[in-house]
Amino acid sequence: DAGITQSPRYKITETGRQVTLMCHQTWSHSYMFWYRQDLGHGLRLIYYSAAADITDKGEVPDGYVVSRSKTENFPLTLESATRSQTSVYFCASSVLETEQFFGPGTRLTVL
Amino acid sequence: AQKVTQAQTEISVVEKEDVTLDCVYETRDTTYYLFWYKQPPSGELVFLIRRNSFDEQNEISGRYSWNFQKSTSSFNFTITASQVVDSAVYFCALSEANTGNQFYFGTGTSLTVIP
Repeated sequence: DAGITQSPRYKITETGRQVTLMCHQTWSHSYMFWYRQDLGHGLRLIYYSAAADITDKGEVPDGYVVSRSKTENFPLTLESATRSQTSVYFCASSVLETEQFFGPGTRLTVL
Repeated sequence: AQKVTQAQTEISVVEKEDVTLDCVYETRDTTYYLFWYKQPPSGELVFLIRRNSFDEQNEISGRYSWNFQKSTSSFNFTITASQVVDSAVYFCALSEANTGNQFYFGTGTSLTVIP
């Protein structure tokens, strides 16, 4: 199906484990983004990418790693999960100077 | 400093009342874009409107209207004759032309429409 998808939708993990959140879009949008949403903070940008093999830090990048080897995929990895990374994670895509289209979100719980 | 401020954390209105959600932004760029998104209880983020800095015309879409005023750096959103389905969190966002399409989101306003 066309659009932007995220997997898994729900994930429970333990402190110290590595976890990867997947994001896939079918529009060939050049820009992709990862946000986390926490109560009282709205949406905060973790990392973004302007094109394949080009990534840059956002507001809250610590503890996260991204890669973008293909235009359509933008995985987010928590190398050693911490309880403070419990959040809802949204992936988004766009072309320049337009609205961003958001995936359905991944609810991550770190125990 | 917060680039987008949504001072209203929570608003409750009775069905059919009008309600205005405030958004104040801060930028030094002359070219920028403003957005509103809706996040219903189901959790997805729904795009509502995009405005560029050169277009100050107000916009109306059904019961929704937006008032963009550069003089006060505001981009307010009004829902006329509110309905229960309007209950959601609403986010305002700013994108500056020279920042690679990054969005700066406000912290959101949670609107509850009481039947």
